[in-house]
Amino acid sequence: RKEVEQDPGPFNVPEGATVAFNCTYSNSASQSFFWYRQDCRKEPKLLMSVYSSGNEDGRFTAQLNRASQYISLLIRDSKLSDSATYLCVVNTNSGAGSYQLTFGKGTKLSVIP
Amino acid sequence: GAVVSQHPSWVICKSGTSVKIECRSLDFQATTMFWYRQFPKQSLMLMATSNEGSKATYEQGVEKDKFLINHASLTLSTLTVTSAHPEDSSFYICSASTFSGMRSYNEQFFGPGTRLTVL
Repeated sequence: RKEVEQDPGPFNVPEGATVAFNCTYSNSASQSFFWYRQDCRKEPKLLMSVYSSGNEDGRFTAQLNRASQYISLLIRDSKLSDSATYLCVVNTNSGAGSYQLTFGKGTKLSVIP
Repeated sequence: GAVVSQHPSWVICKSGTSVKIECRSLDFQATTMFWYRQFPKQSLMLMATSNEGSKATYEQGVEKDKFLINHASLTLSTLTVTSAHPEDSSFYICSASTFSGMRSYNEQFFGPGTRLTVL
């Protein structure tokens, strides 16, 4: 089983639509969770952290369900500039105080005019 | 936020040559630097973790004699792909981390990546 699994998409949505991405992770000892955004041929950039209580940043809402090992990202009122690949990322303690990020393959979003 | 640079941003080389990629933290001292590789439509895969002044820790399946990592200072790490072959063509991304006592993890700041094409 892959450590971090995501639906690869692509998700093609019209401007203004609401879109949701899901992610599951296999390591129950994982400690922190993130959504990154990666544009074509660019490095990943942190979009937001994900907390158990759920958190919101403008049009973006992230949820974490530790019991189900499930993470979600909701984007409301999609903009053309939201077109990118969204990476689900899990941080796990790899021992001796060091942490390791494990990336999902990403879900590609295309927002269409 | 913290800035990490990589050089070169892209490189094309002949099979059998060696390529060095530099990763620099520009405005902070990085206790740890990470090297990732990303093939098209694949996830970022961690290759190795390096701490300043000590040997890098390589992930399973990554040849340490082929991918030489040097982390000589708190602001510079280098990855050398020795005797590169076409299958080494990939997007190589570094990240740098500095411990933040308020967090339960060490936030990583990513460089812009280096696209390597081996002919």
